[in-house]
Amino acid sequence: NAGVTQTPKFQVLKTGQSMTLQCAQDMNHEYMSWYRQDPGMGLRLIHYSVGAGITDQGEVPNGYNVSRSTTEDFPLRLLSAAPSQTSVYFCASSYGINEKLFFGSGTQLSVL
Amino acid sequence: KQEVTQIPAALSVPEGENLVLNCSFTDSAIYNLQWFRQDPGKGLTSLLLIQSSQREQTSGRLNASLDKSSGRSTLYIAASQPGDSATYLCAVGALYNFNKFYFGSGTKLNVKP
Repeated sequence: NAGVTQTPKFQVLKTGQSMTLQCAQDMNHEYMSWYRQDPGMGLRLIHYSVGAGITDQGEVPNGYNVSRSTTEDFPLRLLSAAPSQTSVYFCASSYGINEKLFFGSGTQLSVL
Repeated sequence: KQEVTQIPAALSVPEGENLVLNCSFTDSAIYNLQWFRQDPGKGLTSLLLIQSSQREQTSGRLNASLDKSSGRSTLYIAASQPGDSATYLCAVGALYNFNKFYFGSGTKLNVKP
């Protein structure tokens, strides 16, 4: 099983550029979420989805957009990249509410 | 807002030692708590999940306990091995905000051969 797949693994952007981080899961999980991990801090929730067509904001949503058109995919869009968005981004999924989380391997993003 | 703290930030022990990692949280109204392992450059792997009604969960050499009233959880690792070296994170599932987990910043464990 592939589990949760994130692409790309590494990305360098210039300030003001936009891009989409891809996340796909093959476990038929309803719940998907995006986190960012910064040095010395725990993971912080950006956006989450409880099913296709349903998304909501987490702790740090500003500067990011999400959509959920299928159960499998949950892309994260950076609208206009800023140096403060330099971070490691993780996508996670779970079968049900607050159940065991399965994580992708992460995307390391640098914004210059 | 729920605050999750893990102390110490780093821990180094000799192989074979039993050890305890700590996790504390400020709001006892939790849905559940998960312990994760993170290897360098990798994603997180869920080790144990404790529901709010449970006191502990065990998996192999790992035992996690939960004391909601005091806002604490511990992860006990028996007979540590070099392969246990990793960062261990705890995450608290919010009771009134479903599907929101609040993470600690982790304890980096080094088990010396």
